[in-house]
Amino acid sequence: DAGITQSPRHKVTETGTPVTLRCHQTENHRYMYWYRQDPGHGLRLIHYSYGVKDTDKGEVSDGYSVSRSKTEDFLLTLESATSSQTSVYFCAIRQGASQPQHFGDGTRLSIL
Amino acid sequence: EDQVTQSPEALRLQEGESSSLNCSYTVSGLRGLFWYRQDPGKGPEFLFTLYSAGEEKEKERLKATLTKKESFLHITAPKPEDSATYLCAVRGSWGKLQFGAGTQVVVTP
Repeated sequence: DAGITQSPRHKVTETGTPVTLRCHQTENHRYMYWYRQDPGHGLRLIHYSYGVKDTDKGEVSDGYSVSRSKTEDFLLTLESATSSQTSVYFCAIRQGASQPQHFGDGTRLSIL
Repeated sequence: EDQVTQSPEALRLQEGESSSLNCSYTVSGLRGLFWYRQDPGKGPEFLFTLYSAGEEKEKERLKATLTKKESFLHITAPKPEDSATYLCAVRGSWGKLQFGAGTQVVVTP
């Protein structure tokens, strides 16, 4: 196991409510990523971090924000959830530039 | 823009029936092509990284190869436990991974 814990694993919420997903790592890796996975689209990058308080946008960042106040934690926030954000969300970590990303087991989020 | 296309979308094999999965890509400045395996309800599990044309990597019944435009994942004499979705991704000059949609493989006894 890559030492990645995502919480919660499942969540059902209503449109318009705020939602925060947490990714916790025990590997002390510099890079952390948030993806969403939808049928037919594969994994798409939402946001990523290259250090504490250093974050940047991915290809599908609209409606999402992130924070990283500690090396081990990377939070993904949906300020006002919409039904189009129903998806499975994966966190990944990477040690260095030439290393592969390793993934957590995901959070299944349903927005009604 | 980096693009990755995987084929076929789904593959059904008899146990022992070897086959290949294709990953075609366009990327600016390839910095690695990655294969992952994903089981239902789980995150992708890293299998291989390939960096240059002609490179090959093997692990048990899986062998990955790379050319300048595509990669193949060969499954030799598959077993039911090889059933999974196999994902391909490329890292280009901008450093981020671009994933394909995956190939779902089912191996029946």
